[in-house]
Amino acid sequence: DIQMTQSPYSVSASVGDRVTITCRASQGISSSLVWFQQKPGKVPKLLIYAASRLQSGVPSRFSGSGSGTDFTLTISSLQPEDFATYYCQQTSTYPVTFGGGTKVEIK
Amino acid sequence: EVQLVESGGGLVQPGGSLRLSCVASGLTFSDHYMDWVRQAPGKGLEWVGRARNKAKSYTTEYAASVKGRFTISRDDSKNSLYLQMNSLKTEDTAVYYCARVLSGQWLDYWGQGTLVTVSS
Repeated sequence: DIQMTQSPYSVSASVGDRVTITCRASQGISSSLVWFQQKPGKVPKLLIYAASRLQSGVPSRFSGSGSGTDFTLTISSLQPEDFATYYCQQTSTYPVTFGGGTKVEIK
Repeated sequence: EVQLVESGGGLVQPGGSLRLSCVASGLTFSDHYMDWVRQAPGKGLEWVGRARNKAKSYTTEYAASVKGRFTISRDDSKNSLYLQMNSLKTEDTAVYYCARVLSGQWLDYWGQGTLVTVSS
């Protein structure tokens, strides 16, 4: 199985900060990488697919990059509604696997 | 508006069985692959499995942790996805979500989830 490792485990940031979350795959997955946002008690929301494509309706302050084994999710200017947990997921190979999550907290 | 509504969760003893359902509306259900994803209390997301569409012969895929115990099926005439869970273990306790798979890869719509608790 492909292991997805996210870092950091959590990040404390202020409104307006630039935040970067990293996801590393245990083997190459091309661009088959998705990012989700999940707020407490809510359903996961698709943010980015195919590593860098912004899902319709998602603010442009979110961006994704990377290919192969190393990927990043960047929030260019953190907003109050962005405090949540973020998950990466590889869709290259079965079984599909998620990263462990990165919690973005208020500083 | 796409809606996915899960049902069938509840409390079950270890070794028991449970069948979850997910009814879809607002989409052409038969066109899409559908997934089950679960989330244990306070934990991260875990992919459970996938049901492909008729074009792909309704084939299925499973996570190793549930293979041989869980079975995913679908009834396109009822816009419904199912998860038959047998030989349940305490570690299967989780909220179970169904989700639409867009373009065979991305989970773009999720249901609200149904809680399964496995406990004696």
